[in-house]
Amino acid sequence: DTGVSQNPRHKITKRGQNVTFRCDPISEHNRLYWYRQTLGQGPEFLTYFQNEAQLEKSRLLSDRFSAERPKGSFSTLEIQRTEQGDSAMYLCASSLDSPAGGTQYFGPGTRLLVL
Amino acid sequence: GESVGLHLPTLSVQEGDNSIINCAYSNSASDYFIWYKQESGKGPQFIIDIRSNMDKRQGQRVTVLLNKTVKHLSLQIAATQPGDSAVYFCAENTGRDDKIIFGKGTRLHILP
Repeated sequence: DTGVSQNPRHKITKRGQNVTFRCDPISEHNRLYWYRQTLGQGPEFLTYFQNEAQLEKSRLLSDRFSAERPKGSFSTLEIQRTEQGDSAMYLCASSLDSPAGGTQYFGPGTRLLVL
Repeated sequence: GESVGLHLPTLSVQEGDNSIINCAYSNSASDYFIWYKQESGKGPQFIIDIRSNMDKRQGQRVTVLLNKTVKHLSLQIAATQPGDSAVYFCAENTGRDDKIIFGKGTRLHILP
């Protein structure tokens, strides 16, 4: 399977703990996106990378959130000092940059529950 | 402002009938639209897309229609099957770095 993969699939943590999620995009895709999805809502954009450069961050991405894509391949999303409001599904997507726009393909997501 | 919305939160369709899911968008600058299907506990799955220079595009059992005059998008699923049960999202690409904006979704129920 050469699709987008995410690990872990589920994470339960206590409030105040740090968590880190990993995303492995489709291998030839140079763009990588992070979204957050809460129950009953559509995914909300958090941030995206073109190769290793982080080009945009949403206002939703507070100082407790940090994302990296050090070698332009896999990416990590870290949440420090988690809060109950951080409970959500965190989705990663990747696309191939093209003049006509690239289709984003999503991974299965990491479901976070903060107790 | 930019927004993508759906007319109905839930749609129930008899198995074998055709389904039509509607979507309205407000950003006239959007030039690329995508339909995603999301099953419970899974990430959104690409179904079909359409660019603003087209008004219709067909895939396998699915058709997307785009009416730019009224900023309306629809997804038609032919001969709906139990496996089509899911939440369907329309999404628009505003042309900036492939950033897409999702609507809230329509849940499709298939009746036996």
